[in-house]
Amino acid sequence: EADIYQTPRYLVIGTGKKITLECSQTMGHDKMYWYQQDPGMELHLIHYSYGVNSTEKGDLSSESTVSRIRTEHFPLTLESARPSHTSQYLCASSEEHRGLTEAFFGQGTRLTVV
Amino acid sequence: KNQVEQSPQSLIILEGKNCTLQCNYTVSPFSNLRWYKQDTGRGPVSLTIMTFSENTKSNGRYTATLDADTKQSSLHITASQLSDSASYICVVSDRGSTLGRLYFGRGTQLTVWP
Repeated sequence: EADIYQTPRYLVIGTGKKITLECSQTMGHDKMYWYQQDPGMELHLIHYSYGVNSTEKGDLSSESTVSRIRTEHFPLTLESARPSHTSQYLCASSEEHRGLTEAFFGQGTRLTVV
Repeated sequence: KNQVEQSPQSLIILEGKNCTLQCNYTVSPFSNLRWYKQDTGRGPVSLTIMTFSENTKSNGRYTATLDADTKQSSLHITASQLSDSASYICVVSDRGSTLGRLYFGRGTQLTVWP
């Protein structure tokens, strides 16, 4: 099983609150990602990082922000949660091996904004 | 536009039966294709990886095939078990970018009934 952890697993929060979703990996991977996934839909990349102090926005526009101060830690923050942010958020990290990208996923955080 | 299409969207089979899931992609230049299993409320877990030169690969009761000419892949599950109930996601990597981009299909939701 991959050593990548997300907390919390489930979160119900009121509109307007600030929240931070945590993601940590112990594999020493430089590349990390945040995906958003609605039920029955594909994963959409919202943020990624090549390494410390490197963050980029993904394909899907998101009001969230990320930081990468340490290799193992890649938190995602919503300054003011809205019901439209209700979704599952998946964190991943990846490594290159013989030219192949291997991605490892966390268990996900199911966010509900009421 | 790089895309990954999966069919069927959902599938119900009886325990012990076999099934085949399909994946068509337009990702170019192609690097590799993976099948992931995602249990409800959890992160995806890799089942198999196929590179350009591989036609078939097995992992227990899972057998994946790849036709790089027609850009099609299939995942065959034999002697299905109740624990096979999950979403199966086809993920294609390109080799045209530093990120080693991952393109996700929407998944096939498989339900195995006793």
